[in-house]
Amino acid sequence: DAGVIQSPRHEVTEMGQEVTLRCKPISGHNSLFWYRQTMMRGLELLIYFNNNVPIDDSGMPEDRFSAKMPNASFSTLKIQPSEPRDSAVYFCASSLSVWKTVNSPLHFGNGTRLTVT
Amino acid sequence: GENVEQHPSTLSVQEGDSAVIKCTYSDSASNYFPWYKQELGKRPQLIIDIRSNVGEKKDQRIAVTLNKTAKHFSLHITETQPEDSAVYFCAASINSGGGADGLTFGKGTHLIIQP
Repeated sequence: DAGVIQSPRHEVTEMGQEVTLRCKPISGHNSLFWYRQTMMRGLELLIYFNNNVPIDDSGMPEDRFSAKMPNASFSTLKIQPSEPRDSAVYFCASSLSVWKTVNSPLHFGNGTRLTVT
Repeated sequence: GENVEQHPSTLSVQEGDSAVIKCTYSDSASNYFPWYKQELGKRPQLIIDIRSNVGEKKDQRIAVTLNKTAKHFSLHITETQPEDSAVYFCAASINSGGGADGLTFGKGTHLIIQP
């Protein structure tokens, strides 16, 4: 398996521009998570989906952030308009979630390093 | 929601010595506690996990202990080697419905192995 695939690996954009980050979860996984990592705040959960449905988006910082999962193999995280304080590494992760059984480990993608100037 | 505290933020040990990283959590309903290792510029990777019905788990040089009453858990690395140098994250989640639902991570510990 190729693992969780994220694109792009690096994104440099100017303040005010729209940014779209992409993620392909591991085939067969039905839970997908978006995390943001910064030195100051560590790994923060932004939103997670189960069976393509958003379950908890309480971590999304503000209305400028939105996420979608149109099908089981693809998700996007969009920032519009972007601001310098959005600069961070954004990780997508996936797992297999089965009702009332043990957890499966969370597998991370390689991340997208976003720089907003 | 869940709050996970991790200590220390930086830990420097001599090669061959042991390292211990400690975490506390706030929500007594949490029942799944994984540990991730993140090397510089790379993704976090699971190294070991423990569930609330187990007090200790070991895998070669690493072990994790869990004290549910005190709501804390620890990572122990013995006979440390240079390749153990990385940032280690603890996490906790409530598995009310299965799966790694909404893991809350600690801030991380930068482990430095001195040759």
